[in-house]
Amino acid sequence: GENVEQHPSTLSVQEGDSAVIKCTYSDSASNYFPWYKQELGKGPQLIIDIRSNVGEKKDQRIAVTLNKTAKHFSLHITETQPEDSAVYFCAASIVGDYKLSFGAGTTVTVRA
Amino acid sequence: DAGVTQSPTHLIKTRGQQVTLRCSPKSGHDTVSWYQQALGQGPQFIFQYYEEEERQRGNFPDRFSGHQFPNYSSELNVNALLLGDSALYLCASSFEGQETQYFGPGTRLLVL
Repeated sequence: GENVEQHPSTLSVQEGDSAVIKCTYSDSASNYFPWYKQELGKGPQLIIDIRSNVGEKKDQRIAVTLNKTAKHFSLHITETQPEDSAVYFCAASIVGDYKLSFGAGTTVTVRA
Repeated sequence: DAGVTQSPTHLIKTRGQQVTLRCSPKSGHDTVSWYQQALGQGPQFIFQYYEEEERQRGNFPDRFSGHQFPNYSSELNVNALLLGDSALYLCASSFEGQETQYFGPGTRLLVL
């Protein structure tokens, strides 16, 4: 099955700086890559997703890039704010396969 | 527009007991997936229901079973509870044919 690895496990940044989280996947058939933000005591919230026919997608301060050849994708958060502090998860799935395979998560702390 | 709702929010059971968790999907969604999230880990896929049938299952024993009702809501049942079943149980809903899954707040289960 699909195996998703996520790095780093923890990330501390100064407010206003950028944060980058990287994920790799094992199954070349994977073609959908969502990112979720999970705050303490809450369920994961979808923040952005990308499909394999697109190399990059941006939504305000958040961007995701995908390298299909290398089988890795990354989340970029610019101009970080204290409310960006949370656990971020990457995931992958294959068309026609209904499950999401998640990474282990990255705890992001934005220092004021 | 109501999002995914789950009940109860918290639950305490003892080993050997049985538990039922409930989920109502986001308005307009017809597919429900269940995930188990152990502390400090990413969610793990349990199974997915569509048209009242289980159509895919992750690596979970038969003690885990589910049901989907005609109104698309769903239940997750776990029999013969083990200490290792203590986790956050997440429900996610989606629309058939679309990969995007939206998560509920989860049910925190503690098995003593």
